[in-house]
Amino acid sequence: EPEVTQTPSHQVTQMGQEVILRCVPISNHLYFYWYRQILGQKVEFLVSFYNNEISEKSEIFDDQFSVERPDGSNFTLKIRSTKLEDSAMYFCASRELPIGYTFGSGTRLTVV
Amino acid sequence: QKEVEQDPGPLSVPEGAIVSLNCTYSNSAFQYFMWYRQYSRKGPELLMYTYSSGNKEDGRFTAQVDKSSKYISLFIRDSQPSDSATYLCAMSPEGGGNKLTFGTGTQLKVEL
Repeated sequence: EPEVTQTPSHQVTQMGQEVILRCVPISNHLYFYWYRQILGQKVEFLVSFYNNEISEKSEIFDDQFSVERPDGSNFTLKIRSTKLEDSAMYFCASRELPIGYTFGSGTRLTVV
Repeated sequence: QKEVEQDPGPLSVPEGAIVSLNCTYSNSAFQYFMWYRQYSRKGPELLMYTYSSGNKEDGRFTAQVDKSSKYISLFIRDSQPSDSATYLCAMSPEGGGNKLTFGTGTQLKVEL
């Protein structure tokens, strides 16, 4: 069964450093997303991406965040200057219409 | 009022029991209703989705949506220890590319 692949599974970074989280969505999906889940809290929407541009973003997705689809297969989330409160599980998802969201296993980001 | 409310549990039941999981919501624009299962430190896995009101059955799982009451349910029949996980409700309005709004999740444990 097709799956969404995320790397790395765990990333530890120093506060203030830049991190890039990588995702390979399902190949024939057109919509891509990043969500995050702070430990013990609910899954929260960050950003959606369609046709090579951001289609919607949440208030969490401020100027320190950016997304990119650098080639035909990868989808990345960059956090420019990490803060302690950015520590969370970050999930990539892709979707085919009308619903059919598939989530990756996540990247656990720990900011120290 | 939170947009989606879900009892966090934990809910502990004996094997073979019928489990009822519920969410309420406030946004009348929601049209797609989903149930996800999440194991510890893994991504959400789609179990079922329903469009608008009604029931949907898949094996031991039944999803119900009552839009007039803004209330959705997931029933698990003949529960098994392997059903032990966190169950997340999620909702989305009509239209392509729209984000999911999640409940906090209900932690379920099915005991032998």
